[in-house]
Amino acid sequence: QQQVKQSPQSLIVQKGGISIINCAYENTAFDYFPWYQQFPGKGPALLIAIRPDVSEKKEGRFTISFNKSAKQFSLHIMDSQPGDSATYFCAATAQGGSEKLVFGKGMKLTVNP
Amino acid sequence: NAGVTQTPKFQVLKTGQSMTLQCAQDMNHNSMYWYRQDPGMGLRLIYYSASEGTTDKGEVPNGYNVSRLNKREFSLRLESAAPSQTSVYFCASSVMNSNQPQHFGDGTRLSIL
Repeated sequence: QQQVKQSPQSLIVQKGGISIINCAYENTAFDYFPWYQQFPGKGPALLIAIRPDVSEKKEGRFTISFNKSAKQFSLHIMDSQPGDSATYFCAATAQGGSEKLVFGKGMKLTVNP
Repeated sequence: NAGVTQTPKFQVLKTGQSMTLQCAQDMNHNSMYWYRQDPGMGLRLIYYSASEGTTDKGEVPNGYNVSRLNKREFSLRLESAAPSQTSVYFCASSVMNSNQPQHFGDGTRLSIL
């Protein structure tokens, strides 16, 4: 049973465009939603995270939007750059911590120059 | 500051051989994790250790064993490798019971022939 569903599986955008990655979850006990960025040959690294008491969190060009009633959250990358080309994973966990994260299947982003 | 160090980085095994993947962290984290990453499957938790002296099964534990040697080190053992265990293995660590992120190593790429 996949607890976090991520879409699309891949995305190609032009430099300067907006990249949007969507995730949906089922477990209403989830209370911490991080996004991880992974470059080829490297391990995932935390990009940005949100808790359900806020509907949006922005860090530079990266914004998480959270819809608690719909059990959905999304990552928006504004002014996408070739250096943003990577695989992005959404994740979720319960009990307010980073234990036992449940990951989406990932999305490969390609930003063309 | 090394963070999470995994050894080896690459390994090729024959079916039936055994092997231990090593992981060490220098961030004084309580919790450590082992994941496998397969194309289109995201990151799946194999085993985790919430604190020194404890280990628990994750989503896909069959065919694996783990040892939390001390606070710094968490090893993953394949007793009798099978081709289905060909994957990229990631170790991660985190502070227990907090919203701090999991920190990942750069992975061990394991091929089983």
